[in-house]
Amino acid sequence: AQSVTQLDSHVSVSEGTPVLLRCNYSSSYSPSLFWYVQHPNKGLQLLLKYTSAATLVKGINGFEAEFKKSETSFHLTKPSAHMSDAAEYFCVVSPSIGAGNMLTFGGGTRLMVKP
Amino acid sequence: GAVVSQHPSWVICKSGTSVKIECRSLDFQATTMFWYRQFPKQSLMLMATSNEGSKATYEQGVEKDKFLINHASLTLSTLTVTSAHPEDSSFYICSARDLAGDDNEQFFGPGTRLTVL
Repeated sequence: AQSVTQLDSHVSVSEGTPVLLRCNYSSSYSPSLFWYVQHPNKGLQLLLKYTSAATLVKGINGFEAEFKKSETSFHLTKPSAHMSDAAEYFCVVSPSIGAGNMLTFGGGTRLMVKP
Repeated sequence: GAVVSQHPSWVICKSGTSVKIECRSLDFQATTMFWYRQFPKQSLMLMATSNEGSKATYEQGVEKDKFLINHASLTLSTLTVTSAHPEDSSFYICSARDLAGDDNEQFFGPGTRLTVL
């Protein structure tokens, strides 16, 4: 079984300040972990993914995430928020083997960026 | 690469009619596609897994006779909402897994917003 918990349903930051979106997971297998972004009425865009290589993963648009097995966390960060970062973010877990590679989504975090 | 399209992007229909939504992988082959449903301000919920050439696998609580899935080729899956009712109004998103790519990564379509009057 696997699950994902996004600890904050809403995060508000000022433009130019750091972003931290928190994600904790549980998985019976060595998981693959993803962060997706969704802008209003749009599909999902992959920001980055962890698949058992380097624990610090760099993604698009300046985002990065660190896989911490001891803390079962995969928090998403960005040094400096931009207005265009305002969107919904989903942390997603998939088992590396078995279970048909099903994705389990977190509840989402809405990021708001103030000017 | 790895582009998934959906058609239509939005549809409004009357209660009792059926609506078909198409999901296409444009530049890769996908033996497996997934259909998700997303209610406003909520996360995505997997409805069913669509396998090319075989029957779809539905998640618990999803009516297979209401949400008909056909995966007739390696690049096309369709979801038909039969006898639609207002409670079926939602954002439907498909994803596809590249036959030749990373097993764990799914590529998502832009979604279809269905409004049933």
